[in-house]
This record gives sequence, structure tokens and C-alpha cells, in this order.
Amino acid sequence: DTGVSQNPRHKITKRGQNVTFRCDPISEHNRFYWYRQTLGQGPEFLTYFQNEAQLEKSRLLSDRFSAERPKGSFSTLEIQRTEQGDSAMYLCASSSTGTSAFTDTQYFGPGTRLTVL
Amino acid sequence: AQKITQTQPGMFVQEKEAVTLDCTYDTSDPSYGLFWYKQPSSGEMIFLIYQGSYDQQNATEGRYSLNFQKARKSANLVISASQLGDSAMYFCAMSAHAGNQFYFGTGTSLTVIP
Repeated sequence: DTGVSQNPRHKITKRGQNVTFRCDPISEHNRFYWYRQTLGQGPEFLTYFQNEAQLEKSRLLSDRFSAERPKGSFSTLEIQRTEQGDSAMYLCASSSTGTSAFTDTQYFGPGTRLTVL
Repeated sequence: AQKITQTQPGMFVQEKEAVTLDCTYDTSDPSYGLFWYKQPSSGEMIFLIYQGSYDQQNATEGRYSLNFQKARKSANLVISASQLGDSAMYFCAMSAHAGNQFYFGTGTSLTVIP
């Protein structure tokens, strides 16, 4: 169990540029989540995958955001035409196949801190 | 509508004493899960304890216990014998909608005083 990993850990970009983050879940986990956390707040749910299927998307996930999980393995989160309001910590989490998703414990990665100048 | 409420932005506790961090929740789902996570200054989210909506007994994990009062929709975290390393942000969270959505509170900053 190597834990959940995220790359890069920090990203600084200029407004209007596109950025992509990668997250590698714990290998046997089939459920996958992306969150955004701004300073002083709790994580905000963005989207949820079970295997490669994206089952839930928050209203926070505007059309500039897209998440993929090809072949149910790693996941990417792309933000197009970044805005200063996108500056935040982006966290991913994975969980194993339990009897139902609401009982699963999510294990989080260290996060990618995005700064949009 | 806010799903998880943590009303204590900051708490202080003397080392070796117990502390209770409050959490109330709101959901119409009969099945849900309640979680507590710790986030030290380094930023990683560390799972502490889980309580299912149908669990009859309060969850315990070492020095952590969850005071689950279903009728009052509260899920308070109790940390016994506080240690300096317990100083961190603590988040209450809930899974709902068959686990497809997950909600966090705004957190409580705990400081353990030597």
C-alpha cells in the first residue's frame, strides 16, 4: 500500500492557461473522488468515479473543469482558461469496494496547490 | 443547503485532558455515513473514525470516540488524553445520496496547550 499520490504538488500558472493534475489512487481501490479546498474551508466535493465511470458531478465543476479516469486507474483533472478564483488546493481520494459507497473510508492524497496569477 | 455544521472555529485543550468537537448534520437520506478527518499543518487529510447511520453503538478508535445522537443529528468527536500532536484542523464529513456525494464541514482548529 503506497498510498494516494498526486502530481504536481504545486503549480503556478498565469490566468487563462490550462493546467492538468494527476492522481494515482491506492491500487485496489475502485472509487475515486476529486475535491477543492480553499483557505480556511473544508474540502468541497467536485466529482466521483466508480471504476472509469463518472457517476456524480458537483455544480462547482464548471464547464472549464473536466475529470477523467481512463481504465479505472489514475485520474486527471484539467482546468481550462484558469481564473484567479481557481487558486486552491485540489485533493483526490480513493476508497475500496465496500457494500456501498457511503460506508467506504476515503484515503486522501497530499494535494496539488494551484496558484493562478 | 449546508449539510454539515461545525460551530467551533477554534478550540483549546490542556494536554492530557479530553476535548469534544461538535458536528451537526442534515440529510433526508435514511442511509448515510459520518466521518472525522484530521488535517495537520502539512495538509494531508487523515481518517480518524467512521459512524454508520444504522450503527447502534458509538464508534471508537483508540483515543477517538464518536458521540452519535441520531435524533439530534449530531456526531461529536471526543478526543481523550489530548497530546501535543493532536493540534490540527478537524473536519466532520458525511456521505449521502448512496455515497455519490460527500460533504465536509468548515472545520475546527484544535490547539493542545502543554
